[in-house]
Amino acid sequence: GAVVSQHPSWVICKSGTSVKIECRSLDFQATTMFWYRQFPKQSLMLMATSNEGSKATYEQGVEKDKFLINHASLTLSTLTVTSAHPEDSSFYICSARDIRDQPQHFGDGTRLSIL
Amino acid sequence: GQNIDQPTEMTATEGAIVQINCTYQTSGFNGLFWYQQHAGEAPTFLSYNVLDGLEEKGRFSSFLSRSKGYSYLLLKELQMKDSASYLCAVRDPLVMTTDSWGKFQFGAGTQVVVTP
Repeated sequence: GAVVSQHPSWVICKSGTSVKIECRSLDFQATTMFWYRQFPKQSLMLMATSNEGSKATYEQGVEKDKFLINHASLTLSTLTVTSAHPEDSSFYICSARDIRDQPQHFGDGTRLSIL
Repeated sequence: GQNIDQPTEMTATEGAIVQINCTYQTSGFNGLFWYQQHAGEAPTFLSYNVLDGLEEKGRFSSFLSRSKGYSYLLLKELQMKDSASYLCAVRDPLVMTTDSWGKFQFGAGTQVVVTP
């Protein structure tokens, strides 16, 4: 149980493009979803926490207009990187928590490369 | 401030046992979690402790002492596939977040290298 699907796995695109990443909880309802960013050989950095039907809470230093998060249903959250630039290239990982369970369960991650 | 400390790297031989320590200093405590992360992949959940003591799950065990701010993950009968980074995370209910259970604070991870 507790499977989280993240799509796409890889994105390579030109600077200035907006990229949307989807995160779905497949076998449970996730009232809370999390978006992380990870640079090579570094730990996870929480970008934002979102609850279904409400605005996301962004961590300090994360631009909300740059990283748009929508948590429209109990099984789907999306992260849109708007007007992406090379410095936005990173590994983006979502996670979700079942309301009945303790741990966060992670999606497979999206490797974003901006040329 | 929030502080999660774990060793950077550990090396062990196939079939051996390795213990990864994690010490933490956080405002509050509502569970300690261990995740495994292979290179280029997302973390997978291994175990969690919310009360003091040992939790055993097959070849993996995790121990917690809340009074000492200390946990360890024990990996027995090491296999080559256990080569990965192991992340310690503490959930802190006193850090403001929209998750009612509290915010996860991750350590930097311990890279375990298993040699033949």
